[in-house]
Amino acid sequence: GQNIDQPTEMTATEGAIVQINCTYQTSGFNGLFWYQQHAGEAPTFLSYNVLDGLEEKGRFSSFLSRSKGYSYLLLKELQMKDSASYLCAVIDSNYQLIWGAGTKLIIKP
Amino acid sequence: IAGITQAPTSQILAAGRRMTLRCTQDMRHNAMYWYRQDLGLGLRLIHYSNTAGTTGKGEVPDGYSVSRANTDDFPLTLASAVPSQTSVYFCASSDSAGSNTEAFFGQGTRLTVV
Repeated sequence: GQNIDQPTEMTATEGAIVQINCTYQTSGFNGLFWYQQHAGEAPTFLSYNVLDGLEEKGRFSSFLSRSKGYSYLLLKELQMKDSASYLCAVIDSNYQLIWGAGTKLIIKP
Repeated sequence: IAGITQAPTSQILAAGRRMTLRCTQDMRHNAMYWYRQDLGLGLRLIHYSNTAGTTGKGEVPDGYSVSRANTDDFPLTLASAVPSQTSVYFCASSDSAGSNTEAFFGQGTRLTVV
Protein backbone atom coordinates (compact mmCIF):
# COMPACT_ATOMS: atom_id res chain seq x y z
CA GLY A 1 0.00 0.00 0.00
CA GLN A 2 0.93 3.63 -0.18
CA ASN A 3 1.98 5.44 2.95
CA ILE A 4 3.16 8.86 4.01
CA ASP A 5 4.46 9.34 7.56
CA GLN A 6 4.76 12.60 9.43
CA PRO A 7 4.98 13.31 13.16
CA THR A 8 1.56 14.03 14.60
CA GLU A 9 2.57 17.07 16.61
CA MET A 10 5.63 19.23 17.27
CA THR A 11 6.29 22.15 19.59
CA ALA A 12 8.81 24.93 19.01
CA THR A 13 9.68 28.34 20.42
CA GLU A 14 9.08 31.67 18.72
CA GLY A 15 12.23 32.80 16.89
CA ALA A 16 13.67 29.28 16.70
CA ILE A 17 14.07 26.81 13.81
CA VAL A 18 12.00 23.65 13.34
CA GLN A 19 12.29 20.76 10.89
CA ILE A 20 9.22 18.71 9.98
CA ASN A 21 10.02 15.35 8.42
CA CYS A 22 8.04 13.33 5.89
CA THR A 23 8.81 9.82 4.70
CA TYR A 24 6.90 8.15 1.92
CA GLN A 25 6.39 4.76 0.32
CA THR A 26 4.36 5.18 -2.84
CA SER A 27 3.90 3.47 -6.18
CA GLY A 28 6.16 5.76 -8.14
CA PHE A 29 7.08 9.37 -7.53
CA ASN A 30 6.32 12.45 -9.60
CA GLY A 31 6.81 15.21 -7.07
CA LEU A 32 6.18 16.23 -3.47
CA PHE A 33 4.21 19.14 -2.07
CA TRP A 34 4.08 20.87 1.31
CA TYR A 35 0.92 22.71 2.31
CA GLN A 36 0.09 24.79 5.37
CA GLN A 37 -3.32 24.55 7.00
CA HIS A 38 -4.44 26.83 9.82
CA ALA A 39 -7.15 25.47 12.09
CA GLY A 40 -10.55 25.67 10.45
CA GLU A 41 -9.13 26.88 7.16
CA ALA A 42 -8.21 25.44 3.77
CA PRO A 43 -4.73 24.13 2.96
CA THR A 44 -2.49 26.59 1.12
CA PHE A 45 0.54 25.79 -1.03
CA LEU A 46 4.02 26.19 0.42
CA SER A 47 6.48 24.33 -1.80
CA TYR A 48 7.05 21.73 -4.49
CA ASN A 49 10.06 19.43 -4.94
CA VAL A 50 10.68 16.99 -7.77
CA LEU A 51 14.48 16.87 -7.87
CA ASP A 52 16.82 16.07 -4.98
CA GLY A 53 18.01 19.01 -2.98
CA LEU A 54 16.89 22.08 -1.13
CA GLU A 55 14.34 24.62 -2.33
CA GLU A 56 14.41 27.87 -0.37
CA LYS A 57 11.58 30.36 -0.20
CA GLY A 58 12.02 33.06 2.38
CA ARG A 59 11.80 31.64 5.91
CA PHE A 60 10.66 28.27 4.56
CA SER A 61 12.82 25.64 2.85
CA SER A 62 11.96 22.16 1.62
CA PHE A 63 14.38 19.30 1.02
CA LEU A 64 13.95 16.09 -0.96
CA SER A 65 15.88 12.83 -1.20
CA ARG A 66 14.18 10.50 -3.66
CA SER A 67 16.51 7.60 -2.95
CA LYS A 68 15.57 7.73 0.75
CA GLY A 69 11.88 8.50 0.21
CA TYR A 70 12.33 11.47 2.50
CA SER A 71 11.55 15.15 2.64
CA TYR A 72 11.62 17.83 5.28
CA LEU A 73 10.19 21.30 5.68
CA LEU A 74 12.43 23.74 7.52
CA LEU A 75 10.90 26.82 9.12
CA LYS A 76 13.25 29.55 10.36
CA GLU A 77 12.66 32.54 12.62
CA LEU A 78 9.42 31.06 13.81
CA GLN A 79 6.49 33.39 14.34
CA MET A 80 3.30 32.78 16.27
CA LYS A 81 1.36 32.83 12.99
CA ASP A 82 3.30 29.72 11.90
CA SER A 83 1.18 27.70 14.34
CA ALA A 84 -0.66 25.43 11.91
CA SER A 85 -0.72 21.94 10.47
CA TYR A 86 1.79 21.12 7.73
CA LEU A 87 0.74 18.57 5.14
CA CYS A 88 3.08 16.50 3.00
CA ALA A 89 1.68 15.11 -0.27
CA VAL A 90 3.25 12.94 -2.98
CA ILE A 91 2.24 12.56 -6.63
CA ASP A 92 2.33 8.82 -7.39
CA SER A 93 2.84 6.95 -10.67
CA ASN A 94 -0.85 7.42 -11.56
CA TYR A 95 -0.47 11.17 -11.02
CA GLN A 96 -2.70 11.04 -7.97
CA LEU A 97 -1.89 13.07 -4.86
CA ILE A 98 -1.35 10.95 -1.74
CA TRP A 99 -1.60 12.99 1.46
CA GLY A 100 -0.01 12.55 4.86
CA ALA A 101 -2.12 13.13 7.97
CA GLY A 102 -0.26 16.35 8.69
CA THR A 103 1.93 17.65 11.49
CA LYS A 104 0.41 20.08 13.98
CA LEU A 105 3.04 22.67 14.86
CA ILE A 106 2.57 24.56 18.13
CA ILE A 107 4.64 27.71 18.61
CA LYS A 108 5.24 28.91 22.17
CA PRO A 109 6.36 32.43 23.12
CA ILE B 1 -11.29 37.97 -6.40
CA ALA B 2 -10.46 34.79 -8.32
CA GLY B 3 -10.72 31.59 -6.39
CA ILE B 4 -12.79 28.59 -5.47
CA THR B 5 -16.03 28.80 -3.53
CA GLN B 6 -17.92 26.12 -1.64
CA ALA B 7 -21.44 26.16 -0.29
CA PRO B 8 -22.72 25.68 2.31
CA THR B 9 -19.95 26.34 4.83
CA SER B 10 -21.60 24.02 7.32
CA GLN B 11 -24.65 21.78 7.46
CA ILE B 12 -26.38 19.44 9.87
CA LEU B 13 -28.15 16.71 7.93
CA ALA B 14 -30.50 13.94 9.00
CA ALA B 15 -29.39 10.45 8.07
CA GLY B 16 -31.03 9.21 4.88
CA ARG B 17 -31.39 12.68 3.37
CA ARG B 18 -29.93 13.69 0.03
CA MET B 19 -27.45 16.57 -0.02
CA THR B 20 -25.44 18.38 -2.70
CA LEU B 21 -22.31 20.29 -1.83
CA ARG B 22 -21.57 23.01 -4.33
CA CYS B 23 -18.16 24.02 -5.66
CA THR B 24 -17.39 26.75 -8.19
CA GLN B 25 -14.06 28.05 -9.45
CA ASP B 26 -13.34 31.01 -11.68
CA MET B 27 -9.71 30.28 -12.50
CA ARG B 28 -10.56 28.21 -15.61
CA HIS B 29 -8.73 25.26 -14.10
CA ASN B 30 -9.12 21.96 -15.91
CA ALA B 31 -8.84 19.64 -12.91
CA MET B 32 -11.12 19.61 -9.88
CA TYR B 33 -11.21 17.41 -6.81
CA TRP B 34 -13.33 16.56 -3.80
CA TYR B 35 -11.60 15.51 -0.59
CA ARG B 36 -12.78 14.66 2.88
CA GLN B 37 -10.65 15.43 5.90
CA ASP B 38 -11.11 13.54 9.15
CA LEU B 39 -9.18 13.96 12.39
CA GLY B 40 -5.95 11.97 12.35
CA LEU B 41 -6.26 11.09 8.68
CA GLY B 42 -4.86 12.76 5.63
CA LEU B 43 -7.00 14.31 2.95
CA ARG B 44 -8.75 11.47 1.14
CA LEU B 45 -9.82 11.84 -2.46
CA ILE B 46 -13.49 11.11 -3.11
CA HIS B 47 -13.86 11.95 -6.79
CA TYR B 48 -11.96 13.95 -9.34
CA SER B 49 -12.39 15.45 -12.78
CA ASN B 50 -9.44 16.01 -15.11
CA THR B 51 -11.49 18.11 -17.51
CA ALA B 52 -15.08 19.16 -18.10
CA GLY B 53 -17.25 16.21 -19.08
CA THR B 54 -15.09 13.57 -17.35
CA THR B 55 -15.02 12.27 -13.78
CA GLY B 56 -13.18 9.55 -11.92
CA LYS B 57 -13.31 7.72 -8.60
CA GLY B 58 -10.82 8.44 -5.90
CA GLU B 59 -9.87 6.52 -2.77
CA VAL B 60 -13.27 6.72 -1.00
CA PRO B 61 -16.03 7.15 -3.62
CA ASP B 62 -18.79 4.98 -2.12
CA GLY B 63 -21.92 6.92 -1.22
CA TYR B 64 -20.90 9.95 -3.29
CA SER B 65 -21.43 11.06 -6.88
CA VAL B 66 -20.19 14.01 -8.91
CA SER B 67 -20.81 15.67 -12.23
CA ARG B 68 -18.77 18.10 -14.34
CA ALA B 69 -21.08 19.68 -16.86
CA ASN B 70 -18.80 22.70 -17.34
CA THR B 71 -15.36 23.93 -16.38
CA ASP B 72 -16.43 25.99 -13.40
CA ASP B 73 -18.76 23.75 -11.37
CA PHE B 74 -18.15 20.42 -9.64
CA PRO B 75 -20.99 19.48 -7.27
CA LEU B 76 -20.74 16.54 -4.88
CA THR B 77 -23.92 14.63 -4.03
CA LEU B 78 -24.59 12.36 -1.09
CA ALA B 79 -27.56 10.27 -2.22
CA SER B 80 -28.53 9.01 1.23
CA ALA B 81 -26.36 10.41 4.00
CA VAL B 82 -24.99 8.20 6.77
CA PRO B 83 -23.25 9.24 10.03
CA SER B 84 -19.87 8.01 8.75
CA GLN B 85 -20.03 10.78 6.16
CA THR B 86 -19.67 13.35 8.92
CA SER B 87 -16.51 15.17 7.91
CA VAL B 88 -15.02 18.35 6.51
CA TYR B 89 -15.24 18.38 2.75
CA PHE B 90 -12.79 20.35 0.61
CA CYS B 91 -13.12 21.10 -3.06
CA ALA B 92 -9.91 21.91 -4.91
CA SER B 93 -8.80 22.77 -8.42
CA SER B 94 -5.54 22.85 -10.34
CA ASP B 95 -4.54 23.95 -13.80
CA SER B 96 -3.98 20.34 -14.91
CA ALA B 97 -4.18 16.96 -13.25
CA GLY B 98 -1.11 15.30 -11.81
CA SER B 99 1.22 18.15 -12.63
CA ASN B 100 3.48 20.24 -10.48
CA THR B 101 0.96 23.05 -10.39
CA GLU B 102 -0.42 23.79 -6.97
CA ALA B 103 -3.97 22.97 -6.02
CA PHE B 104 -6.24 25.72 -4.73
CA PHE B 105 -8.72 24.77 -2.04
CA GLY B 106 -12.14 26.08 -1.15
CA GLN B 107 -12.85 27.07 2.44
CA GLY B 108 -14.46 23.73 3.21
CA THR B 109 -17.90 22.44 4.14
CA ARG B 110 -18.34 21.04 7.62
CA LEU B 111 -21.02 18.35 7.38
CA THR B 112 -22.59 16.59 10.35
CA VAL B 113 -24.90 13.66 9.68
CA VAL B 114 -27.13 12.78 12.62
